[in-house]
Amino acid sequence: GENVEQHPSTLSVQEGDSAVIKCTYSDSASNYFPWYKQELGKRPQLIIDIRSNVGEKKDQRIAVTLNKTAKHFSLHITETQPEDSAVYFCAASKKEGRRALTFGSGTRLQVQP
Amino acid sequence: DAGITQSPRHKVTETGTPVTLRCHQTENHRYMYWYRQDPGHGLRLIHYSYGVKDTDKGEVSDGYSVSRSKTEDFLLTLESATSSQTSVYFCAISPGPQETQYFGPGTRLLVL
Repeated sequence: GENVEQHPSTLSVQEGDSAVIKCTYSDSASNYFPWYKQELGKRPQLIIDIRSNVGEKKDQRIAVTLNKTAKHFSLHITETQPEDSAVYFCAASKKEGRRALTFGSGTRLQVQP
Repeated sequence: DAGITQSPRHKVTETGTPVTLRCHQTENHRYMYWYRQDPGHGLRLIHYSYGVKDTDKGEVSDGYSVSRSKTEDFLLTLESATSSQTSVYFCAISPGPQETQYFGPGTRLLVL
């Protein structure tokens, strides 16, 4: 089955700096890659997703890039703010077969004011 | 938050007892999922459902069973709870397999 690896497991940045979280996936048939944010004690929520027919997608300070050849995708957060502090999860799924998401192990982002 | 609730929110039980967790939605979404969340493991899929009475196993399904007799309810049962099943359990719903998943508030289960 699909395997998603996520790095780093923890990331600390200064407010205003950029943060990058990287994920690799194993199944070349995967074509949908969402990112979820989970604040402390709360439920995960989708922040952005990308499908395999595009290489990059942006939403204000958040962007995701996808390299299908290398089977990796990344989350970029610019101008980080304290409220960006949370655990971020990447995930992958494919169009055929068992189409449920496989999640990475998560990255705890701490933005220092 | 999408109309999704979980019950109970907290439960303490003893090894060997059966436990049932309930997920209830008011969004009429076709897909429902059960995940467990443990430190260092992210969210791992236990079972999911793609329609009434249609279910499939996830990556950590051993020791768990599910049932979905109507669109709005998805039940997760631990037939005989073990300490390794101590975890936070999240239910999620989505309109389709590659669409946004909306998570419930979670259930904290402690098996002594």
